[in-house]
Amino acid sequence: DAKTTQPPSMDCAEGRAANLPCNHSTISGNEYVYWYRQIHSQGPQYIIHGLKNNETNEMASLIITEDRKSSTLILPHATLRDTAVYYCIVRVGGQGGKLIFGQGTELSVKP
Amino acid sequence: EPEVTQTPSHQVTQMGQEVILRCVPISNHLYFYWYRQILGQKVEFLVSFYNNEISEKSEIFDDQFSVERPDGSNFTLKIRSTKLEDSAMYFCASSEAGRGDYNEQFFGPGTRLTVL
Repeated sequence: DAKTTQPPSMDCAEGRAANLPCNHSTISGNEYVYWYRQIHSQGPQYIIHGLKNNETNEMASLIITEDRKSSTLILPHATLRDTAVYYCIVRVGGQGGKLIFGQGTELSVKP
Repeated sequence: EPEVTQTPSHQVTQMGQEVILRCVPISNHLYFYWYRQILGQKVEFLVSFYNNEISEKSEIFDDQFSVERPDGSNFTLKIRSTKLEDSAMYFCASSEAGRGDYNEQFFGPGTRLTVL
């Protein structure tokens, strides 16, 4: 699975969009980008995933660059409850298979 | 909404004792996992389980660890002789099968294991 690089921490004002970047320059053609988050030592929570196209769900949007070497997770209107560690994980898609977590980005949403 | 549950939420044990951590995955899921997170460190994969056998395990998952699906609902992690360094939060997760490339893993709330 390709390595990912994320900033260790970011701040965001409540109500503003939070844009979390991830670099995955060694990603291969069959690898997906997954985003999970972990709120204060709770179990990680799936947010979104994508292969090539931009994706949106009720939680977030995922923007993947055309060369697929980087992506951005967007929380459109961050709330205090979005304060968490966000993990970008690149792996081959498909059922089963481990998730390899890095250090992630600690997002602090401030009032 | 269906969720993964884990018991107990906190387990304290003496070094050298055996512990069993229990998980109830989401009922129609067929893939099961254990991860652990030592305080202040990354979430680490331990083992995955499918079709009543281990499908993958990490180097952490040595002979002291074992997993079992004793019935149709529970999934357990046993540590035979606990060490101080086994102190961590242990997360169980499960995922569906038959969803193509989709692989959302649902995590439980975790069991905090403290080895004294």
